[in-house]
Amino acid sequence: KQEVTQIPAALSVPEGENLVLNCSFTDSAIYNLQWFRQDPGKGLTSLLLIQSSQREQTSGRLNASLDKSSGRSTLYIAASQPGDSATYLCAVMNYGGSQGNLIFGKGTKLSVKP
Amino acid sequence: DGGITQSPKYLFRKEGQNVTLSCEQNLNHDAMYWYRQDPGQGLRLIYYSQIVNDFQKGDIAEGYSVSREKKESFPLTVTSAQKNPTAFYLCASRHPESAAGANVLTFGAGSRLTVL
Repeated sequence: KQEVTQIPAALSVPEGENLVLNCSFTDSAIYNLQWFRQDPGKGLTSLLLIQSSQREQTSGRLNASLDKSSGRSTLYIAASQPGDSATYLCAVMNYGGSQGNLIFGKGTKLSVKP
Repeated sequence: DGGITQSPKYLFRKEGQNVTLSCEQNLNHDAMYWYRQDPGQGLRLIYYSQIVNDFQKGDIAEGYSVSREKKESFPLTVTSAQKNPTAFYLCASRHPESAAGANVLTFGAGSRLTVL
């Protein structure tokens, strides 16, 4: 059974720092991996999706990498800002994933201090 | 703008009552999902529907029911059989594989259910 783990559970950094959030998964037969952002009491916003055949995706100050063989993904945030403060969730879609079901990690709660 | 609308945003229920959470999308997506989120936990799948008039149980379907009579709508009923229903409920729909942004899930803003 696929399990997704995110480390650390919480992270506090000063504004301007570059940071890395980690995600690991136990079954490498994934269809894709997605990173989401969740603000308190809100729904999820999709940040980046990496297909299983891809190594990385970039959007603005965000870069997500995927190493399927080792079961790892990282989300790199450059020049962090207080507005980046949120919980970041990693989720994988398994192969046979035509159903589109996502398996989520518990998230990393990021706080960026001004 | 296209998106997913969940209502109500906050809902209070007395023990023994059934409640229905609404999820409506105007994205023309076939697949829709219901997830439950508890504090400090990842999202867990309750039910999903790939197409109108068809739906499947997810990992934690006990005590819940759904219907999919229209493409746009996927309501979730939390029944009195659900022993611990207090949670944040999220509805999502999936971009089709043939479209740009294939397989990206779009989420609603969520509904917070509290049992009194």
